[in-house]
Amino acid sequence: GAVVSQHPSRVICKSGTSVKIECRSLDFQATTMFWYRQFPKQSLMLMATSNEGSKATYEQGVEKDKFLINHASLTLSTLTVTSAHPEDSSFYICSAGGSSGRSSEAFFGQGTRLTVV
Amino acid sequence: ILNVEQSPQSLHVQEGDSTNFTCSFPSSNFYALHWYRWETAKSPEALFVMTLNGDEKKKGRISATLNTKEGYSYLYIKGSQPEDSATYLCAFFYNQGGKLIFGQGTELSVKP
Repeated sequence: GAVVSQHPSRVICKSGTSVKIECRSLDFQATTMFWYRQFPKQSLMLMATSNEGSKATYEQGVEKDKFLINHASLTLSTLTVTSAHPEDSSFYICSAGGSSGRSSEAFFGQGTRLTVV
Repeated sequence: ILNVEQSPQSLHVQEGDSTNFTCSFPSSNFYALHWYRWETAKSPEALFVMTLNGDEKKKGRISATLNTKEGYSYLYIKGSQPEDSATYLCAFFYNQGGKLIFGQGTELSVKP
């Protein structure tokens, strides 16, 4: 299957700083990527849909200015958590593919564990 | 609000036991149902993408069934092995939604 690489896998940052997470499709082009967040014992919650060359589509309740998404090329989407606070500590994971849903599976990155201290 | 529920939340079985878990999803606007296997420190990997009512898919000792009219899917593992230990996620894809709605997962632990 296709490979999606996500970096970093773990990051600890100070409150008030910004953190960038990268999601790369290694062997295919992804016009659409998805960013999820997971709280302990809960499901993957879609934060936003990242569209190559255009603005991301954010889910209800997700702050656009806090979670900046850039999809500048067909193989790279980035999520920047700006002015991070301890409540932003969570597990973030990206995926590519699966946007048609019917026949195509989603391919996931390894996820990023963010801890804000 | 679209809700996908999985049960049980966790399951502990002995090697060799057969097991199954449930995914419940909205029966309206159905488009597809996905199952993923997620091992610790790895990426979730797709097991099945199911689209037709009555679908039954199999991959080795793992199989899944789909009932779109009543809104549920079962995942079966025959003769569980320790390497089957993982979290199993289901995700619902609805018409014109363009995105997957995930359940909270079933965490399976198989003891040797």
